[in-house]
Amino acid sequence: AQTVTQSQPEMSVQEAETVTLSCTYDTSESDYYLFWYKQPPSRQMILVIRQEAYKQQNATENRFSVNFQKAAKSFSLKISDSQLGDAAMYFCAFLYGGSQGNLIFGKGTKLSVKP
Amino acid sequence: NAGVTQTPKFQVLKTGQSMTLQCAQDMNHEYMSWYRQDPGMGLRLIHYSVGAGITDQGEVPNGYNVSRSTTEDFPLRLLSAAPSQTSVYFCASSYTRQGNEAFFGQGTRLTVV
Repeated sequence: AQTVTQSQPEMSVQEAETVTLSCTYDTSESDYYLFWYKQPPSRQMILVIRQEAYKQQNATENRFSVNFQKAAKSFSLKISDSQLGDAAMYFCAFLYGGSQGNLIFGKGTKLSVKP
Repeated sequence: NAGVTQTPKFQVLKTGQSMTLQCAQDMNHEYMSWYRQDPGMGLRLIHYSVGAGITDQGEVPNGYNVSRSTTEDFPLRLLSAAPSQTSVYFCASSYTRQGNEAFFGQGTRLTVV
């Protein structure tokens, strides 16, 4: 069974600084996808970034980038130039390629941004 | 431009009452699912469906029923509400092609007293 672990229940960052959120996962599969979702106080789940396991290149989306270490089963999210609007819960999620949509989530990291 | 629509947004139930959480999507997604979110637990899969007439259990299915009579709708039924079902519920949908993004509804905060 696949598992996703987020070891940082809470993190804090100063506005304009950089922060890295950690995520590790456990799987015996080779075909899978990894996601970071953001959940602001509005409760809406918003996709931040997506990584295919077969791609060696790390995904980037504007100020958001990942460090995908397949051998170490690590998938960290880096937020550069942090903004007040980045304050939210962040969830790491795993999707097995043979699954038709069943996401496995970590427990989340609550990110605070200090002005 | 509706995406995934969940109703209601908030609900208070008494123990033993039944209710249905509604979920509809207008993106013609084959896959739909229900998750519950509890503090410190992340999101856990309750039930899912890969098409009309096809449903299956997820990680925490006890106390919940689902059906999928159309592509668009995937209601979640609580048969006899219990305080342990107090949670935030999310409906999600996606294409079943590998690795597709899941789109989420805005969630329903359910309190069972």
